[in-house]
Amino acid sequence: KQEVTQIPAALSVPEGENLVLNCSFTDSAIYNLQWFRQDPGKGLTSLLLIQSSQREQTSGRLNASLDKSSGRSTLYIAASQPGDSATYLCAVRLGKIIFGKGTRLHILP
Amino acid sequence: DTAVSQTPKYLVTQMGNDKSIKCEQNLGHDTMYWYKQDSKKFLKIMFSYNNKELIINETVPNRFSPKSPDKAHLNLHINSLELGDSAVYFCASSQEGTGRKLFFGSGTQLSVL
Repeated sequence: KQEVTQIPAALSVPEGENLVLNCSFTDSAIYNLQWFRQDPGKGLTSLLLIQSSQREQTSGRLNASLDKSSGRSTLYIAASQPGDSATYLCAVRLGKIIFGKGTRLHILP
Repeated sequence: DTAVSQTPKYLVTQMGNDKSIKCEQNLGHDTMYWYKQDSKKFLKIMFSYNNKELIINETVPNRFSPKSPDKAHLNLHINSLELGDSAVYFCASSQEGTGRKLFFGSGTQLSVL
């Protein structure tokens, strides 16, 4: 049974710092992995999608990596800003999609 | 233009009532989903529809019934609402050939009193 774990559950960092969010999964036979952000009371916004054959994807200040063999993905956020404060979720797809419980990120001005 | 839209945004109702949540996507995607986000913010899939056929039904009570009149719509009907049904329900869609990237609606907050 696929399990997706995100550590830490919550994180507070000063503005301007670089940070890394972690996602681990137990079954490496995934089709893809997707990172989302969710703002309070809002839906999920897709950030990056990494196919199983890819190692990383980049969008602006965000970089997501995927290591299937070790069952890990990281989301790197460079030069963090207060607007980055949100909950970040990773989701892996096999036949179905399994979400982690998210990391609540708070960027301190 | 909103890609995945669901209505209503808020739904407050009494226990025992029957209610529906509507979802529409204008992305031309072939698969639509319903997710439930509980009070602990954990997202869990409820249903998946591909070309109007149910392909996933995760241990969801049969009081919940998805209805897809066409490829662009997947509505969620709930009978005999219970207190434990209170949650945020999200609709999503994806398309084969684009890596199955998920696009989410903004959610429907259901409160059962």
